[in-house]
Amino acid sequence: QQQVKQSPQSLIVQKGGISIINCAYENTAFDYFPWYQQFPGKGPALLIAIRPDVSEKKEGRFTISFNKSAKQFSLHIMDSQPGDSATYFCAASDFGNEKLTFGTGTRLTIIP
Amino acid sequence: DSGVTQTPKHLITATGQRVTLRCSPRSGDLSVYWYQQSLDQGLQFLIHYYNGEERAKGNILERFSAQQFPDLHSELNLSSLELGDSALYFCASSGRQTSNYGYTFGSGTRLTVV
Repeated sequence: QQQVKQSPQSLIVQKGGISIINCAYENTAFDYFPWYQQFPGKGPALLIAIRPDVSEKKEGRFTISFNKSAKQFSLHIMDSQPGDSATYFCAASDFGNEKLTFGTGTRLTIIP
Repeated sequence: DSGVTQTPKHLITATGQRVTLRCSPRSGDLSVYWYQQSLDQGLQFLIHYYNGEERAKGNILERFSAQQFPDLHSELNLSSLELGDSALYFCASSGRQTSNYGYTFGSGTRLTVV
């Protein structure tokens, strides 16, 4: 029940296109859903996060869409750029939880 | 620079040895989390300390131990090392006791066991 399932495992998108990564969870107590971006040799960095009181959150080219009834959330990267090539992790937590539970990661490659 | 400092950045050691990884959290952060990231694996939670007290354990082997000191830095001790312990070890810190405000990761220590 603590798992967060992430798909796809890898994704190739053309420059200027939309990258979409999906995550699903089971634990209805989760109330915090961040996305982390990780470049090779670096630690994950918080990209954007959402709480279940809203269905969408946008920061620049990055948008989280949240569907509470389906227990799913997704990251959309608009106008994808080569610099967006990285591994993306979704995660989830709740107030009583002592840790973030991470998805397995999506390796995104943006091609020219 | 995330403000979370991990040393050393790289470590190569032989099987059966013991190593200590160090983490200094962001200034003012009381929570320290340790994660293991193996090749092509996700982030596996190991342990969480808050203000010197162990708060939660994840999939941490008995050969591994950690502590958080009064100055809030933390050390992860890995002993009787095996080839399979080769991985990236990340420390993260947060200003809160609970994880649902996220946390900030360091750049990691890459451990290679030969």
